Amino acid sequence: DGGITQSPKYLFRKEGQNVTLSCEQNLNHDAMYWYRQDPGQGLRLIYYSQIVNDFQKGDIAEGYSVSREKKESFPLTVTSAQKNPTAFYLCASSIAGVNTEAFFGQGTRLTVV
Amino acid sequence: AQSVTQLDSQVPVFEEAPVELRCNYSSSVSVYLFWYVQYPNQGLQLLLKYLSGSTLVKGINGFEAEFNKSQTSFHLRKPSVHISDTAEYFCAVSGVGGYNKLIFGAGTRLAVHP
Repeated sequence: DGGITQSPKYLFRKEGQNVTLSCEQNLNHDAMYWYRQDPGQGLRLIYYSQIVNDFQKGDIAEGYSVSREKKESFPLTVTSAQKNPTAFYLCASSIAGVNTEAFFGQGTRLTVV
Repeated sequence: AQSVTQLDSQVPVFEEAPVELRCNYSSSVSVYLFWYVQYPNQGLQLLLKYLSGSTLVKGINGFEAEFNKSQTSFHLRKPSVHISDTAEYFCAVSGVGGYNKLIFGAGTRLAVHP
């Protein structure tokens, strides 16, 4: 089945450690996105990538980094510089264009203790 | 700046009653509008979208929405809800900054009671 796979579903890390969230898609989509979800705040865009080897900062990129070495993969690293990393992280992908549907993964819940 | 406002954070309703979830947006350019649904601890699923044409858009699970340009609104409606409709609903706009950069509202939690 085609779709987006995020792993792991739950992740626990100690404060000060970097952690990488995986996102893989087999939909052959050009564009991929990372969103952060906090209660009562909706989804906020962290980074997005339109093509391989290119990505742009979203609204809350500080403390995060990404790479796009392959079309199907868009991993997100939450660094120790992120002040409040505990959240639900959603990855999405879409075909090119501004009026196309974004498909979402099941999310990763990160808890930093 | 473009934004999306969902006017109700929570909407309680009894089963088989009608429901309307309100969404307003602000933008100086033409936008595309979307409604997504999120079940607990899951990703988002597209309910419906408005791109152009008829202002009344029908989606999955019996939902529909009406685009009102003069009021900059895109309210979601369902004539008769089921327990299984209990979820969080997000309104979103794109066409902002190009390339499907979706801007989301804060969400409305729909709670359907028996």
